[in-house]
Amino acid sequence: ETGVTQTPRHLVMGMTNKKSLKCEQHLGHNAMYWYKQSAKKPLELMFVYSLEERVENNSVPSRFSPECPNSSHLFLHLHTLQPEDSALYLCASSQSHHTDTQYFGPGTRLTVL
Amino acid sequence: GQNIDQPTEMTATEGAIVQINCTYQTSGFNGLFWYQQHAGEAPTFLSYNVLDGLEEKGRFSSFLSRSKGYSYLLLKELQMKDSASYLCAVRWHNAGNMLTFGGGTRLMVKP
Repeated sequence: ETGVTQTPRHLVMGMTNKKSLKCEQHLGHNAMYWYKQSAKKPLELMFVYSLEERVENNSVPSRFSPECPNSSHLFLHLHTLQPEDSALYLCASSQSHHTDTQYFGPGTRLTVL
Repeated sequence: GQNIDQPTEMTATEGAIVQINCTYQTSGFNGLFWYQQHAGEAPTFLSYNVLDGLEEKGRFSSFLSRSKGYSYLLLKELQMKDSASYLCAVRWHNAGNMLTFGGGTRLMVKP
C-alpha cells in the first residue's frame, strides 16, 4: 500500500535538535492528519488540515509545528522535544475531514534522547 | 468525555471464531470504524458502521447497536496472520466529527 507515504521511517534526535517529518498522499484526498501513538495509549489526534487550512489543533505543545503547503503534502516540524515525545507519529488522509474513512501512512518511529 | 472501551488483550486458536467488543458513549454518535494494526505498521481500514446491523466482509464482520452504544468485530476462520491490534474508533457530532480511538485490542492467535 503506497497511498500514504512517510519519511523518515525512523528518527533519533536530541532534545536540542530540529527535525521535520514528511507525509505525502497519492489518493487525491483533501484532508490530512497527524496522530501520535505512544506505547499502551490510544492514538491521539494532533492536527487536521482540510484543503490546506488547519481545522483542528488538539492542544498540542508549540514544539510541534505543522505545515501543509498543498493538499498532497504535510509536514511536522519538531524542535526542543522532550523524551516523553518519543512515539510513533502517524499521518493519515481522507477525502473530506467530516465523514470519510481515513487511510494511514506507515508512521515515523521517533526517539528523543 | 467520549470514552471508548475495548478489551486490552484476547487470545484465540487458529481456525476458531473470535468476537472483539467495543462500547462507546452514545450522545452525538456519527459512525464507528474498525482498524487492524500489525506491530510497527500502519492501521488499515477494516469496516465502517453508522446504521444498526451487521456488515460482512469476507472473514470479518462488524455489528453495531446505536441504542446500546455497542459494536463488535467478528473474525472467522482465524489465521496466524490475524494476530494484531484491532482499533475501534468513533466519530461524534459534538466532537467536530473527528475520530477518537480506543486503546485497541491485541489479539494473539495460537496454533
